[in-house]
Formats: sequence, C-alpha cells, structure tokens
Amino acid sequence: RKEVEQDPGPFNVPEGATVAFNCTYSNSASQSFFWYRQDCRKEPKLLMSVYSSGNEDGRFTAQLNRASQYISLLIRDSKLSDSATYLCVVNKDTGFQKLVFGTGTRLLVSP
Amino acid sequence: DAGVTQSPTHLIKTRGQHVTLRCSPISGHKSVSWYQQVLGQGPQFIFQYYEKEERGRGNFPDRFSARQFPNYSSELNVNALLLGDSALYLCASRRPNDEKLFFGSGTQLSVL
Repeated sequence: RKEVEQDPGPFNVPEGATVAFNCTYSNSASQSFFWYRQDCRKEPKLLMSVYSSGNEDGRFTAQLNRASQYISLLIRDSKLSDSATYLCVVNKDTGFQKLVFGTGTRLLVSP
Repeated sequence: DAGVTQSPTHLIKTRGQHVTLRCSPISGHKSVSWYQQVLGQGPQFIFQYYEKEERGRGNFPDRFSARQFPNYSSELNVNALLLGDSALYLCASRRPNDEKLFFGSGTQLSVL
C-alpha cells in the first residue's frame, strides 16, 4: 500500500464549479499535512497547510480527519488558472522534514 | 531575493556515466532537500541536509550521494547511471523551524 494515496484524475470541471479532492495516508504517526500545487513541467509550490480544525484560504478549504487518516481539498468557483496537479503531502517526522508526496490529482478547468 | 536555483536545467547522459547536480538555497535557508520526480508520479525524497550534515535519507541506492557546503549550497551525485534514473530532480530549501519548503525549478535528467 502506498504511504499517500490520491485519485490521479483527471477531474474535468467547468469554470465556476466546485471540486473536491481526497487523499488517504497510511502512517498514523504522521505529524503534518499539506497540499502542494504543481503546474506542468514546473516545481511544486505550497498551496496550504492542513490542520485538524480545517482551514480556509479564499476559495480553497482543506480538512484533516486523523481518525480516518484522510485529507481533503475543496476548491470553490473554479478558475481556468486552477488547472494543475494537486499533490497531497504528509510529513512523518518533526525531527527532520521527509515529505511523502502522493502521485497527485490532475485538475482541468474548462471555459 | 533569488529563489532556489538549480543547475543545469537539462542534462543528457548515457548509462554508466555519473552526474553532479547543483543547488543554491534561498539566502538564510540552512536546510536543503533533494527529491526525484519520475513522470506521472509525485516527488520522492532522496536526502535532507542541515548545517552540512545528512539528516535524512530516502530509499535510494548507494549510487546516490550528496553533500552540503559551508555556504549551504548542495550537490547531488549519481554514479553508474541507469535508464530508470531519468527524472526531474528537485532541490528544496527551508528556514529553520519552518515547515514550508521552497522548490527550485529542477534539473531534468535523461539517461540514454
């Protein structure tokens, strides 16, 4: 079983739609969680951290369920510029940062 | 301020050769990590260095090695290249006590 699992997609949605991505992780000792965004042939960039209480940044909402070992990302009012691959990321160790990335979920927003 | 810089941007090698990839972290960042990203997959952790010491190593063979210099720049070395080493190699840096990683644009390595 992979340490971090995501549906690879692609998710094809029209502009203005709401879309949700899910991710599960296998190591219950995981300490911190993130969503990164990666555009084609570019480097990953941090989108947002994910907290147990849930957090929101504009159109983006992230949730963490430690009991189910499940992370989600919700994007409201999708824009064409949201088209990218969204990587679910888990840090297993607070001593040093060994980030474990999922394979990513590809989102395509069309006019 | 300059971001994380990596060189070269692209590299073509043949099987059996060795390669050295270079990374300069953001000024003030003392931690550097290396990741390998194969097409269609997420980045996989290779090494982390902090204050010139190896602090973590991923599941990669001994053909992969790295080091960090006093100015916090880093090199990743891969010996006896295999076709399967073809990937985007990403370097990332971060501030002490900050979980946010900043990635460079990577080195695309092709092994023929």
